[in-house]
Amino acid sequence: AQSVSQHNHHVILSEAASLELGCNYSYGGTVNLFWYVQYPGQHLQLLLKYFSGDPLVKGIKGFEAEFIKSKFSFNLRKPSVQWSDTAEYFCAVTPLNTGRRALTFGSGTRLQVQP
Amino acid sequence: NAGVTQTPKFRVLKTGQSMTLLCAQDMNHEYMYWYRQDPGMGLRLIHYSVGEGTTAKGEVPDGYNVSRLKKQNFLLGLESAAPSQTSVYFCASRWEDSYNEQFFGPGTRLTVL
Repeated sequence: AQSVSQHNHHVILSEAASLELGCNYSYGGTVNLFWYVQYPGQHLQLLLKYFSGDPLVKGIKGFEAEFIKSKFSFNLRKPSVQWSDTAEYFCAVTPLNTGRRALTFGSGTRLQVQP
Repeated sequence: NAGVTQTPKFRVLKTGQSMTLLCAQDMNHEYMYWYRQDPGMGLRLIHYSVGEGTTAKGEVPDGYNVSRLKKQNFLLGLESAAPSQTSVYFCASRWEDSYNEQFFGPGTRLTVL
């Protein structure tokens, strides 16, 4: 079964610092990749997604992610974080052509941005 | 559009009690999902449905049952609640050909004493 690893469980940054959150998955075939964000007390919202094409994808609120197939990675980045980015971030994967119809989520990374 | 809604938002149960969580979506989505979210474990799939009248097991189905009698509703039932089922439950839905981009509800926080 495929798995998703998010190695950073809790990240604390100061405002204006740069952010990179790691995501690695275990499936060897073609995949769709997602980053979701969960602000305190709220439900999950889609931040960005990769289906095909340019491996550098841009999402909402200045976030971007790079798909590196050879490393099975889909790391999330933001050049300068804001206090309002404090949230939990989840990477999720769906392998294609397997009949699997659900997402596999990583364990999440809690980001705390200090003013 | 209300999107994906969940009822109730909070619930406290005693061990052995039963309850049903309701998920409703107004986007005419074919696929619907129930996840549970536990600290440090991300979201884990309980059950899902690929259309009205169909259901399938996910990663952690034990202790739960589901029904999809109407396309817009997906019910999650706990027949005999256990403390291990204390969690936040999220419902999600998507179109059939949306490459698995899912839309989530606000969640139900369940505590089993």
